[in-house]
Amino acid sequence: GESVGLHLPTLSVQEGDNSIINCAYSNSASDYFIWYKQESGKGPQFIIDIRSNMDKRQGQRVTVLLNKTVKHLSLQIAATQPGDSAVYFCAENWGSGGSYIPTFGRGTSLIVHP
Amino acid sequence: GAVVSQHPSWVICKSGTSVKIECRSLDFQATTMFWYRQFPKQSLMLMATSNEGSKATYEQGVEKDKFLINHASLTLSTLTVTSAHPEDSSFYICSARIGGSNNEQFFGPGTRLTVL
Repeated sequence: GESVGLHLPTLSVQEGDNSIINCAYSNSASDYFIWYKQESGKGPQFIIDIRSNMDKRQGQRVTVLLNKTVKHLSLQIAATQPGDSAVYFCAENWGSGGSYIPTFGRGTSLIVHP
Repeated sequence: GAVVSQHPSWVICKSGTSVKIECRSLDFQATTMFWYRQFPKQSLMLMATSNEGSKATYEQGVEKDKFLINHASLTLSTLTVTSAHPEDSSFYICSARIGGSNNEQFFGPGTRLTVL
């Protein structure tokens, strides 16, 4: 993931717009990726995951795109709502099955204006 | 299902004292638990990986004698911050994984530690 210890970048959007949050990962051996949402003072919540044998996966209002060539992930949120305001982290995993070790990226703070 | 709890949710202690944080998987058995630390406006940093019945594996730079981890059962892991100092003030988050081929982690709500 991105360097840990740096302050979070911020993305500001208007309610109803689509949001795109990007993440660069570091390990070319990573084969399982997860996006998390973290609200202030709470633990991360799972949003969506994707394995390296896919380049796109869709959920409810969210889409994750994976570009292994450039080691890049993105999270697209459609029709962003004020309740989507939070910090979003990508996490890369490598290893095998139960020995996966997760590493979090630096995160992006999403602010949705009503 | 798949709920992870932490206790306490927040704690304030004096410098030099020890603090224990519990992480419990409420409705599943967790073969692996992870402990993270998060400073304000920063990412989660993995401190250690804990497998039930064995010693924890600590990440580089994390003092194992200062952050004692015990994973005595499949539903409970504890993190003890020994001789806490103000620089240990942080948000500590645990996660639990069922194991086998299931990679999904379930996160606890976090514990806010403030050392005076």
